[in-house]
Amino acid sequence: QKEVEQDPGPLSVPEGAIVSLNCTYSNSAFQYFMWYRQYSRKGPELLMYTYSSGNKEDGRFTAQVDKSSKYISLFIRDSQPSDSATYLCAMSVNTDKLIFGTGTRLQVFP
Amino acid sequence: GAVVSQHPSWVICKSGTSVKIECRSLDFQATTMFWYRQFPKQSLMLMATSNEGSKATYEQGVEKDKFLINHASLTLSTLTVTSAHPEDSSFYICSAQKTGTPTEEQFFGPGTRLTVL
Repeated sequence: QKEVEQDPGPLSVPEGAIVSLNCTYSNSAFQYFMWYRQYSRKGPELLMYTYSSGNKEDGRFTAQVDKSSKYISLFIRDSQPSDSATYLCAMSVNTDKLIFGTGTRLQVFP
Repeated sequence: GAVVSQHPSWVICKSGTSVKIECRSLDFQATTMFWYRQFPKQSLMLMATSNEGSKATYEQGVEKDKFLINHASLTLSTLTVTSAHPEDSSFYICSAQKTGTPTEEQFFGPGTRLTVL
C-alpha cells in the first residue's frame, strides 16, 4: 500500500463547476499537508499549506484535513480553464521530507 | 518572493556521459535543498536531501555514486548524473526550503528534462 493515494483522473468539468480533489494516506504521523499545482513540463507550485486538521481558505481554493479519517481535500470553486493542470497532494511528518500523491489531472472546459 | 531556478531546462546526452544540473534559490538562502525525479504520469519521488556544507542524504534505492550532489553555498545545489544511461531519462526537479519561516515551505524549480540516448 502506498503511503499516499490519489486518484489520477483525468477529471473533466465545465467552467464554473466546483471541483473536489482528494487524497488518503496511511501514516498517522503526517502533520503537514500541502496541495501543489503542476502544469505540463513545469515544476510544482504551492497552492495550499495546512498544519494538522482543519480548513483553510484562499480565494477560490479551500483545503480540508481530516486526520481522524486520514483524508484531505482540495475544493476549487468557480473553476476556470486556467485551472487545468495536475494537482498533487503532499504531506510530511516534519517540514522536510515530502511524500507526494500521484497527482490528479484536471481539465476545465469552456 | 521565493524563486528557484534550474539550469539547464532540458538536456540531451549520449549514454555514458555525465550531466550536471544546477538548482539556485534566487531571492532567499536555503540551508536545505531537495532533489526529486518524476517519470511520465507518475509522482515526484524524493532522491536526496542536500544540506549546505555537508554530505547529502540519499533515499533508499538511489545510488549515491551515480547521482552526485554538491551543496556548496546557501543558494546553489548541483546534481550530477554520472555515466548516464537511457533509464536515467526523466524529469529532475529541485526544491529549496525557505528556513526561518513558520512553515519552512519548499519552493520548487521548473525542472530539468534529461534525455539519454
